[in-house]
Amino acid sequence: QSALTQPRSVSGSPGQSVTISCTGTSSDVGRYYSVSWYQQPPGKAPKLIISDVSKWPSGVPDRFSGSKSGNTAFLTISGLQAEDEAEYYCCSYAGTYIPYLFGTGTTVTVL
Amino acid sequence: EVQLEESGAEVKKPGESLKISCKGSGYRLNDYWLGWVRQMPGKGLEWVAIISPADSSLRVSPSFEARVTISADKSINTAYLQWNSVQASDTAIYYCARRRAIDASPFDLWGHGTLVTVSS
Repeated sequence: QSALTQPRSVSGSPGQSVTISCTGTSSDVGRYYSVSWYQQPPGKAPKLIISDVSKWPSGVPDRFSGSKSGNTAFLTISGLQAEDEAEYYCCSYAGTYIPYLFGTGTTVTVL
Repeated sequence: EVQLEESGAEVKKPGESLKISCKGSGYRLNDYWLGWVRQMPGKGLEWVAIISPADSSLRVSPSFEARVTISADKSINTAYLQWNSVQASDTAIYYCARRRAIDASPFDLWGHGTLVTVSS
C-alpha cells in the first residue's frame, strides 16, 4: 500500500491560515474515520495533534483543526505562529493488518 | 510520569545482529500497545510493527516483515525490535510509540528515538 499524498510544502505569514491536504483511497482515508495528524519539529520526535479526523488530544491548541471529505483529509492551522514551523504528517488506519499508513509529509514555513 | 524510554544509539557493521528496546512506564500495561516507526535520514515516517506487551499479539508491516522481529516482555512492559543481519539500508531513527489497546487508535505518546547506523 502506497503512502498517503501530501503537498511537499506550504507557507504563510504569522496570523494567517494554512491548510494541508492528505489524499488516500477508498481503502484508507475514505473508508475510516481514523485519520490522525502529527507535528515533528526539526530534530525532535513526532507529536500527535489531531486524532479521529478532528479531535484534539489534551494540551493541543484549537488553532489546529482537522476535517475530511471523501478520500482526502485536511489539517488547518489558524493564526499561524513561528513555533508552528515543522514537518506535518497525516496517518490513516487501513485495516487490522495495516493499522498505520503515513503521509509523505509537509513542511510548514512561517514567512 | 508517563514515558517511553528507548535504548541508546547503535553503530553496527553490515551482517551484524541488533536488538533495540522500548520500556513503557506510568500507565497500565493492559491498556496500551507499543509500536515502532522508522525515519530514514531526511525522509518521512513509516510504520514498522506493533505489539501488545500484555499478550504479545502483534502486527508487522508487509514492507518490514522479512527484515525485523518484534517481541515483548510483559514483566517489564518492554517491546523489542530485532534484526538478524542489518544492512546499510536499515540506517535510520527508530521511534517507539504507544497506542491504546483499541484497533485504529493513534500513537499518542512517542519516545525520543533510537538512532541506528549501519556502516562498514
